[in-house]
Amino acid sequence: SYELTQPLSVSVALGQTARVTCGGDNIGTKNVHWYQQRPGQAPVLVIYRDSNRPSGIPERLSGSNSGNTATLTISRAQAGDEADYYCQVWDSSSFVFGTGTKVIVL
Amino acid sequence: QLQLQESGPGLVKPSETLSLTCIVSGGSVSSSSYYWGWIRQSPGKGLEWIGTVYYSGSADYNSSLKSRVTISIDTSKNQFSLKLSSVTAADTAIYYCARLNWGLLGYFDYWGQGAQVTVSS
Repeated sequence: SYELTQPLSVSVALGQTARVTCGGDNIGTKNVHWYQQRPGQAPVLVIYRDSNRPSGIPERLSGSNSGNTATLTISRAQAGDEADYYCQVWDSSSFVFGTGTKVIVL
Repeated sequence: QLQLQESGPGLVKPSETLSLTCIVSGGSVSSSSYYWGWIRQSPGKGLEWIGTVYYSGSADYNSSLKSRVTISIDTSKNQFSLKLSSVTAADTAIYYCARLNWGLLGYFDYWGQGAQVTVSS
C-alpha cells in the first residue's frame, strides 16, 4: 500500500517560514491535499490539488509538489498556525493520509 | 454554508456493531458532484479513511476494514450512515463524516465536528 511520510514535528519562530514535507514514491505524479487540525477540532482543508487555497485560507499558506516530495509552506508564521498538518492523496482506490506533522510556533 | 453533523452512541460494547449517521444541511447528498465519506482518528494518532458513498448508493471501502464496514445513503433524509461490525478496543476513535470534492481523486472539503466512540464493556 502507498505510504506518505511526514516529519513528526517542525518548529518555527514567530514571523519566520516553516516547511512541512510529505514524502511518497513519485508523489509528484499525484494530486496532494493538505489539512490543518488544531487541538480538539476537526481537520480543515488548507491546500487542494498541490497548490490551490480554498476561500478563507490566507496566502501565507502555499503548496508545491515534485518528484518524491510535496511541501506545505507557512510564511510569516503566526501563533494560530500551531497545529497538526496532514497531507493526503488518492492511490489504488484508496485515500491515504500522511503520518502528520506538529508545527510548533516559538 | 454546508454543515455536517455526526450522531450516534458514544459507547459500544466489544463484538457489537458501531452505527453512526451524518446529517447534512445547507446542501444535498443527492448532488452528482460530490461523494460523502467517513474518516476516523484513534487517540493520539493520525487520520484513517474508512470509506465513501455516492448518491447512487455505490460505496468504496478501505481494504483493511472492508469485511466489517457498510456505508449507506438516504437521499430522502439527506443523510448517510456508517456501520462497523465486530468492534474491538482498536476501533475506539473520533469518527468524522466529510464531503469529498473532485471525485474519487479528490479532497475532503467540509467536515463534521466528529463523534467520539469508545469500545468498552
